[in-house]
Amino acid sequence: SQTIHQWPATLVQPVGSPLSLECTVEGTSNPNLYWYRQAAGRGLQLLFYSVGIGQISSEVPQNLSASRPQDRQFILSSKKLLLSDSGFYLCAWSVDSVGEAFFGQGTRLTVV
Amino acid sequence: GENVEQHPSTLSVQEGDSAVIKCTYSDSASNYFPWYKQELGKGPQLIIDIRSNVGEKKDQRIAVTLNKTAKHFSLHITETQPEDSAVYFCAAVSASKIIFGSGTRLSIRP
Repeated sequence: SQTIHQWPATLVQPVGSPLSLECTVEGTSNPNLYWYRQAAGRGLQLLFYSVGIGQISSEVPQNLSASRPQDRQFILSSKKLLLSDSGFYLCAWSVDSVGEAFFGQGTRLTVV
Repeated sequence: GENVEQHPSTLSVQEGDSAVIKCTYSDSASNYFPWYKQELGKGPQLIIDIRSNVGEKKDQRIAVTLNKTAKHFSLHITETQPEDSAVYFCAAVSASKIIFGSGTRLSIRP
């Protein structure tokens, strides 16, 4: 069966520090991969999505970047965190363009 | 860019009554419309979906309707129960890009 792993679950980082959140999927090949951010009490904002290795679509210009070094690995990064980067970050995967998306458990990031 | 609008943002209904959440989308190429339920501190989970060639779909107490001409789709929950309390998100999907609505916090009053 397919599973998605996202870590860490919680993270407290100082302003200006770097960030690396990792997401891996098991049990499927060539998944579509997504990073979303959810501010407190708000909706899901699409940050990046990828339909294949090395293919990254950026939806919101900001100080975050994403990479897909392997088929089932999706990494969200920042060189210097801002206070406004605080939020709940969710990774997700799907198998095709008209199928269910499966979400990880999320990372709650607090920038202090 | 693509946009999905969702209303209302909060909804409180008496247990046993029905709840309706409505969404509109802007990208006419969208062809898949899932609905997700999110419980506190967790990732969203799919509860029902509808594809563009279908006008209505029902699964027990949950139903979804789609009007492609008007770019509207709605979630209907009948005979609401306490465990239905959660945040609900609609989404529109076009070429693997999933855009979510802003969410509806549904509360069920006993």
